[in-house]
Amino acid sequence: DQQVKQNSPSLSVQEGRISILNCDYTNSMFDYFLWYKKYPAEGPTFLISISSIKDKNEDGRFTVFLNKSAKHLSLHIVPSQPGDSAVYFCAASTNSGGSNYKLTFGKGTLLTVNP
Amino acid sequence: DGGITQSPKYLFRKEGQNVTLSCEQNLNHDAMYWYRQDPGQGLRLIYYSQIVNDFQKGDIAEGYSVSREKKESFPLTVTSAQKNPTAFYLCASSIRGTAYEQYFGPGTRLTVT
Repeated sequence: DQQVKQNSPSLSVQEGRISILNCDYTNSMFDYFLWYKKYPAEGPTFLISISSIKDKNEDGRFTVFLNKSAKHLSLHIVPSQPGDSAVYFCAASTNSGGSNYKLTFGKGTLLTVNP
Repeated sequence: DGGITQSPKYLFRKEGQNVTLSCEQNLNHDAMYWYRQDPGQGLRLIYYSQIVNDFQKGDIAEGYSVSREKKESFPLTVTSAQKNPTAFYLCASSIRGTAYEQYFGPGTRLTVT
């Protein structure tokens, strides 16, 4: 049972435009969400996060939106740059039951930003 | 320069052999994790450790073993019992008590033939 779903395996956008990456989750106990960026043959790097008590968090060109009622979050990148081309993983965590040690990852979305 | 190191970057083994992957961190993090990534898949948790001399199974622990004798080190042994060991293995660490913002190492690509 996949608790964190990234339904788009890939996304292609033009440089300067907006990239929107989507993520859905099924576990209503998730209370913290993160986005990681990963280049081939490298470890993921933390990008941005959001707590369930918020609906938006912004950091420079990156904004994460959370819609708890829809169990949906999205990552917006504006403007997109060729260096943003990578695989983006959505991850979720919960503090319930002392199980705040685990992150549950989606399968990732490959973003390609074309010059 | 703080971070997580994994060695080697590429590892080749014959089927039936055990192999140990190294993971070292100097971030003073208490918690450490091992993940596996397969093509088209997300990161799946193998083992994790919240503190020295303690560790728990993750979602796919069968065929793997770990030890946590030092805070800085969390080696992973891929045993011959692991049915499909060829994969990209990632080690991560975080502040104890939270899995938020895990810091990842560069990964080890293990190929078993």
